[in-house]
Amino acid sequence: ETGVTQSPTHLIKTRGQQVTLRCSSQSGHNTVSWYQQALGQGPQFIFQYYREEENGRGNFPPRFSGLQFPNYSSELNVNALELDDSALYLCARSLTGRARMNTEAFFGQGTRLTVV
Amino acid sequence: AQRVTQPEKLLSVFKGAPVELKCNYSYSGSPELFWYVQYSRQRLQLLLRHISRESIKGFTADLNKGETSFHLKKPFAQEEDSAMYYCALLNAGGTSYGKLTFGQGTILTVHP
Repeated sequence: ETGVTQSPTHLIKTRGQQVTLRCSSQSGHNTVSWYQQALGQGPQFIFQYYREEENGRGNFPPRFSGLQFPNYSSELNVNALELDDSALYLCARSLTGRARMNTEAFFGQGTRLTVV
Repeated sequence: AQRVTQPEKLLSVFKGAPVELKCNYSYSGSPELFWYVQYSRQRLQLLLRHISRESIKGFTADLNKGETSFHLKKPFAQEEDSAMYYCALLNAGGTSYGKLTFGQGTILTVHP
């Protein structure tokens, strides 16, 4: 087990609503990344947080936002949900050390979001 | 833009046969590449990364910069190797620092 926990495991929302997904870790991994995995596709990078600030962003609109807290837990928020937002959302934690080098990324089990 | 291509969506082999999962990439810098595996009902986990040059569960992968490839190989497949395999490339700079770009994945099935 990686010690990376995501909640909830499953969620159904209506188009136009807002959703918050959560990620926590038992370890001191200081970097968290979020990925969206549509059915039959590989995970796609949404953004990464390091020291509570966004540290990199993929090709996702501003209605996808995030937070990282001092205890390194994190939230992914999606506003104005669209049907295409239905996917598995993965949280990955890693450790960024000197020279900004990342260690291995440990993934959570994911949150399955369905937008109807 | 960086890209990872896994040309085979499905790959079937018999137990004891050699297996090769293909991965090609495009990246302007010095690439750092990984193979991730997802067994049934389990989370995505790292199998190996090219900089460590390790052999994990009998799998090896060699980075070929000339062919921009990072194929995963195992000389004798086992039934427990059946899983989804993803090749991934790490972005080590720019606005997408720390981003892993994944291929679409290859489902490996090892028959008894």
